[in-house]
This record gives sequence, structure tokens and C-alpha cells, in this order.
Amino acid sequence: DTAVSQTPKYLVTQMGNDKSIKCEQNLGHDTMYWYKQDSKKFLKIMFSYNNKELIINETVPNRFSPKSPDKAHLNLHINSLELGDSAVYFCASSFRGNTIYFGEGSWLTVV
Amino acid sequence: GENVEQHPSTLSVQEGDSAVIKCTYSDSASNYFPWYKQELGKGPQLIIDIRSNVGEKKDQRIAVTLNKTAKHFSLHITETQPEDSAVYFCAAILFQGAQKLVFGQGTRLTINP
Repeated sequence: DTAVSQTPKYLVTQMGNDKSIKCEQNLGHDTMYWYKQDSKKFLKIMFSYNNKELIINETVPNRFSPKSPDKAHLNLHINSLELGDSAVYFCASSFRGNTIYFGEGSWLTVV
Repeated sequence: GENVEQHPSTLSVQEGDSAVIKCTYSDSASNYFPWYKQELGKGPQLIIDIRSNVGEKKDQRIAVTLNKTAKHFSLHITETQPEDSAVYFCAAILFQGAQKLVFGQGTRLTINP
């Protein structure tokens, strides 16, 4: 009955590979987000979707491509992975500008 | 854009004492200020929030105060317990047709038994 769930939790991959992280929320929220947390614990927004429409797109390399097949899902695909992409990626969701709920995170390590 | 500064970066207190974490924000248009607690290996979890039309809010041992004029807000934890040890983040929301949560740098709180 997890509210915001993301998979995989851990991902170790080689430089140059392409990988995806999936996120699902069962809260009935209309907005979903991807946040990145770097090694210094700093949290920064990457993308936001409202009702499947991209509404926030921060200065993220275009190797990162979010996709929202429906309101309950927001996936993150990363092409040509680089060492600097190693981080924890958090999915989150909210409803009409209210509280944002975070998933448990996906630990990505690029070697 | 919005910028949120958080201090201190680390805080160590004796069990039973109080802990205070302070944040300042830059955009006077921000009107919602949540606080998140992140435990090791987990995602940020909302512990308390305050809106700009309120000066103070309390929930058991946790309280948040907001000074809109000075653009700063603080988290107060009283009677600290070992399970309060975690990283705490303040945040401010700037709403411009989309909700963009801007986080402070985080405070690692350690409660010493």
C-alpha cells in the first residue's frame, strides 16, 4: 500500500548505458515530480508533470527524458549515462498545489 | 528564482534538549513552507508545514515559526529523542502556474543519549 513507489531501488550500471527508473503513485494525485539528490544531500527539482503535461523542466541535460503515460505514472529514462549522473533520484507527487509526497528513492551508481 | 538558505548544516544536542533549525528565503511571493525529515536510506517525509498567513504552528514536540517580514522560518523540536536523529530539510514553494519546491541544504541532527 505504498503511496509513491519507484523501481528499482538500487541500480549500478556502466558509463554509456541507457537506463530507466519507474514511478507510480496510488494517491490520486494530479502532479508528479522527479528530484535529484547529490552526494552532498542537496535536493533539486528536475521535472514536473501535471495531468500528463510537462510543466517544469529545469536545466537538465537532454539525456534525461521523463515520460508520463498517465496521471499515476512518471518514468525517467537516462541515455548515455555519465559518472556525474550518480545520485539518488526521488519521485514525488501532489494534488492541486498541496503537500508533496516523496518515494523512497532510487540509488543510481554509474561506474 | 527562489533561494533557500538553511543553518546549521550539522547540529548535535543531548537527548531531552531542544533543537532549532533556521531557514531564510529570497522570494517574498513564496507562501508555503514545509519541513521534511529524511532518515538514512529513505525519502523525505513531511513533518510539519506552515502557510504565509500563519505565524506559528505546533504539532506535539515540533513547532514552526514564520517571519514574513524578515523572510525567515524556523523548526523547533523540544524534548528531543534518539529517533529524531535524521537530516532535516526546509523548503519554500514558489507557485508560478506550477509548484516548484526549493529546498534548503539540509541539517544533519544528531541526538546524543
